[in-house]
Amino acid sequence: EIVMTQSPATLSVSPGERATLSCRASQSVSTNLAWYQQKPGQAPRLLIYGASTRATGIPARFSASGSGTEFTLTISSLQSEDFGVYYCQQYNNRRNFGPGTKVDIK
Amino acid sequence: EVQLVESGGALVQPGGSLRLSCAASGFTFSSNSMNWVRQAPGKGLEWVSYITGSSSTIYYADSVKGRFTISRDNAKNSLYLQMNSLRAEDTAVYYCATSDGGYSYNWGQGTLVTVSS
Repeated sequence: EIVMTQSPATLSVSPGERATLSCRASQSVSTNLAWYQQKPGQAPRLLIYGASTRATGIPARFSASGSGTEFTLTISSLQSEDFGVYYCQQYNNRRNFGPGTKVDIK
Repeated sequence: EVQLVESGGALVQPGGSLRLSCAASGFTFSSNSMNWVRQAPGKGLEWVSYITGSSSTIYYADSVKGRFTISRDNAKNSLYLQMNSLRAEDTAVYYCATSDGGYSYNWGQGTLVTVSS
């Protein structure tokens, strides 16, 4: 089973600042990696698939990179609506989610 | 517009059974693989099961293998999750979601399953 880890667990950021989230896989998942955003009481929203492709309607301030076992999601200038929990998910071998990174207001 | 509506969540005793349903609309259901994903209260997302459009390939998470069964009825545009031998740790909101090449673009609103005596 592929195990996903995310760091940091919590990221405190001021609006307008840059946020960098990390995701690591226990073995290579190639670029079969997605990122989701979830807000309290809501279903997750797909942000990124294929490690770096923004989903439809996702603002350009969200960017992502990586392949193999190391991945990064960057929010270039955090907006108030960007606070929430971010999960990475591999789909190279079955599916697994990371434990999430909570992005909150500093 | 794609819609996924889960139903069937309830309070059930440990060892009991429950069947969840997901009604799909707004897309060609039979052509889409589907996932069940769950989220325990205050916890992260956990992938549960996957099924291809033709039901030819099915996967389960180790935590539910042998207890849960995923199925679909393409004529009814519906996805199901039969859950047997339920445990307290199965308590969660259960989401159905499309599997669009592995990732999930569309999600339902979820249905709550509570396993407690």
